[in-house]
Amino acid sequence: RKEVEQDPGPFNVPEGATVAFNCTYSNSASQSFFWYRQDCRKEPKLLMSVYSSGNEDGRFTAQLNRASQYISLLIRDSKLSDSATYLCVVNYNDMRFGAGTRLTVKP
Amino acid sequence: DAGVIQSPRHEVTEMGQEVTLRCKPISGHNSLFWYRQTMMRGLELLIYFNNNVPIDDSGMPEDRFSAKMPNASFSTLKIQPSEPRDSAVYFCASTGGKNTGELFFGEGSRLTVL
Repeated sequence: RKEVEQDPGPFNVPEGATVAFNCTYSNSASQSFFWYRQDCRKEPKLLMSVYSSGNEDGRFTAQLNRASQYISLLIRDSKLSDSATYLCVVNYNDMRFGAGTRLTVKP
Repeated sequence: DAGVIQSPRHEVTEMGQEVTLRCKPISGHNSLFWYRQTMMRGLELLIYFNNNVPIDDSGMPEDRFSAKMPNASFSTLKIQPSEPRDSAVYFCASTGGKNTGELFFGEGSRLTVL
């Protein structure tokens, strides 16, 4: 079993749609969690950290469920510019990435 | 401030040749990570260093791969001998200082082994 698992998608949604990604992790002692965004042929960049109480940044909401060992990312009112691959990251003294979920937002 | 700097950006080599990838982390960061990314396997952690000391190299595929960090501002990932299945994008990332938790990536080294 992989340490961090994501639905690879692809997710193809129209502009304005709401889309949600989930990510599960196997190490219950994991300490911190993040979502990264990677554009085609570019390096990954931090989108947002995921806090136990959940957090929101504009159209993006991240949540953590320690009991079920998953994190989620919700994107509301999706834009064309949101098209990218979204990677979840789980940290237990290292930084393990999920395989990423490809999102395409279409006009 | 300069970000993480990797070189070369692109390398094409023949099977059996030695490949050396280089990374300069962000000044003040005390952790450095090497990742490999392929379509099939995604972003795999190869090895990471804390304060120049290798902490976990369990992700290194085999003995053909080696990584060093002789000082806080430089790290290398070496493949000897290279094989076509090593073709991938290799990313270096660093973290630490005031931004502990956020990984800053270099632009990657795209390796093609023929």
